[in-house]
Amino acid sequence: QVQLQESGPGLVKPSETLSLTCAVSGYSISSGYYWGWIRQPPGKGLEWIGSIYHSGSTYYNPSLKSRVTISVDTSKNQFSLKLSSVTAADTAVYYCASLRPDYGPNDFDYWGQGTLVTVSS
Amino acid sequence: QSALTQPASVSGSPGQSITISCTGTSSDVGGYNYVSWYQQHPGKAPKLMIYDVSNRPSGVSNRFSGSKSGNTASLTISGLQAEDEADYYCSSYTSSSTPDVVFGGGTKLTVL
Repeated sequence: QVQLQESGPGLVKPSETLSLTCAVSGYSISSGYYWGWIRQPPGKGLEWIGSIYHSGSTYYNPSLKSRVTISVDTSKNQFSLKLSSVTAADTAVYYCASLRPDYGPNDFDYWGQGTLVTVSS
Repeated sequence: QSALTQPASVSGSPGQSITISCTGTSSDVGGYNYVSWYQQHPGKAPKLMIYDVSNRPSGVSNRFSGSKSGNTASLTISGLQAEDEADYYCSSYTSSSTPDVVFGGGTKLTVL
């Protein structure tokens, strides 16, 4: 069974870059699944950030596209999120999740427990 | 990229059935059989309950079912139980801009 664990700073200053890593266990990251990031501002709904596929193709939320980079590190069995030029509006719980190749592109079947990132000086 | 439209809240008594709607457009819900539903309890990560409109992942109770008509998808929970009280989110693939994913605003289910 796929297990996911987010890690990274819980506090980021405005205008800086938010960097998170999702460690994958119980599964080889290059074996078949795809990977994604979703966030949830406190008390609000879910927002898709982006996804990365085997080919290395990435798809990003248009509203974040200019600031987002998602990448995979197969040697460490993990994938990462970078969000630049953050503001208070980027304060949220950030989740990493997996996508089965035989499911749809919005069917995230395994999730990390989430990590709260606060943007504040 | 607009969020899909869900009712803010629904409620039902134990044993009853409830339905949560999710309205989109022909560029998302109506155009593809890629609608999923997630359950989220307070302080927990979302859990996939329905994928590809009407399919249940292994381990999800058959009390949960999904359907779609036109631009509106629906999640039905039958035999309501106290543990079903949670927030529910729909999601769809969308081709409105670059191909991507959109979520609904969420529905709070209260079991009376």
